Amino acid sequence: KQEVTQIPAALSVPEGENLVLNCSFTDSAIYNLQWFRQDPGKGLTSLLLIQSSQREQTSGRLNASLDKSSGRSTLYIAASQPGDSATYLCAVPRSEKLVFGKGTKLTVNP
Amino acid sequence: KAGVTQTPRYLIKTRGQQVTLSCSPISGHRSVSWYQQTPGQGLQFLFEYFSETQRNKGNFPGRFSGRQFSNSRSEMNVSTLELGDSALYLCASSFASGGVEYQETQYFGPGTRLLVL
Repeated sequence: KQEVTQIPAALSVPEGENLVLNCSFTDSAIYNLQWFRQDPGKGLTSLLLIQSSQREQTSGRLNASLDKSSGRSTLYIAASQPGDSATYLCAVPRSEKLVFGKGTKLTVNP
Repeated sequence: KAGVTQTPRYLIKTRGQQVTLSCSPISGHRSVSWYQQTPGQGLQFLFEYFSETQRNKGNFPGRFSGRQFSNSRSEMNVSTLELGDSALYLCASSFASGGVEYQETQYFGPGTRLLVL
């Protein structure tokens, strides 16, 4: 059974700080890992998808890494802004479904 | 290209009623999945459809059902609503090359917020 864990559950940082969000999974036999952002009461916005053959994926100020052997992924956000405040979720596929972590709620203070 | 759309966006029902939610995937996408999101349980998988066939179903009671039409649009139905069914229901679509496992990005809709009184 695949389980996904995200630590910490909440994080508060001052504007401009670089930060790292963590995601761990129990079964390393994954095809890919996807990071999402969710604003309060809204749907999920896909940020990055890392295939199992990749080590990193970058989009603007976001950089996601994947280490299958250790069952870990990190999402690095550079120069954080108040607009980055949201809940960040990671997910891995398992039999036509995505298994999600509970998310990290990020607050970036001006 | 238009994103995933879900209707209605908000819904208030009373216990015992039934409800039907609709999802229109991104044009060309053949796979549609449904998830329930609650503060306590997080995102839980309901079911996935590909070319009108349900390929996988989560651990939900039989009151939860769904279907997919030939144009890939999907509906989910919840009968005999309970207070615990109050949640944000999210639909996601992907092209899905036809393989068993997801290889492509999943695109989510804005969700339907269901409140059961």
